[in-house]
Amino acid sequence: AQSVTQLDSQVPVFEEAPVELRCNYSSSVSVYLFWYVQYPNQGLQLLLKYLSGSTLVKGINGFEAEFNKSQTSFHLRKPSVHISDTAEYFCAVSEFAGTASKLTFGTGTRLQVTL
Amino acid sequence: NAGVTQTPKFQVLKTGQSMTLQCAQDMNHNSMYWYRQDPGMGLRLIYYSASEGTTDKGEVPNGYNVSRLNKREFSLRLESAAPSQTSVYFCASSEDLSLAGREQFFGPGTRLTVL
Repeated sequence: AQSVTQLDSQVPVFEEAPVELRCNYSSSVSVYLFWYVQYPNQGLQLLLKYLSGSTLVKGINGFEAEFNKSQTSFHLRKPSVHISDTAEYFCAVSEFAGTASKLTFGTGTRLQVTL
Repeated sequence: NAGVTQTPKFQVLKTGQSMTLQCAQDMNHNSMYWYRQDPGMGLRLIYYSASEGTTDKGEVPNGYNVSRLNKREFSLRLESAAPSQTSVYFCASSEDLSLAGREQFFGPGTRLTVL
């Protein structure tokens, strides 16, 4: 069975500083990886996803993530954060098992950007 | 397009009461999902529907029932609410569960409190 670990429950950072949100996964088969963002009192929206090909994936709002198969990681990065990036970020994995592919989510990382 | 809509946005129930959470999508998606979100636990899948006429249990189905009324609508019913069901509930949809790596689109959520 697949699982996702987000090591940091909260990450405080100053505006314009770089940030990395960590995600590790475990699976016995090939996986697809996603990062979703949840702004306060809203649903989740997709930031980026890795399906195949280049291991560096660029998403919306200047975020990018790198797939590292040997380390089973998919860390999210942004070189310079803005106040508006304050949100909760979820890493998710899906594996193609038979005819169904479902998402398994990590527990989330709350990014708090301050001046 | 409204995307995924959920009603109600907020609900307070007493222990033992019943209620149905409604979800509809206008993206012609085949697959729909119900999740619950609890602090520190991320999103956990309650039930899903791969296509119209089919439903399957997810990770935490106990105490819930679902109905896939048609292609657009997927409802979640609590027959006898318990305080442990206090949570934020999200409905999501995707193009087709059999297609790996497809994005899920989320509704705005229903915040449910059971007293």
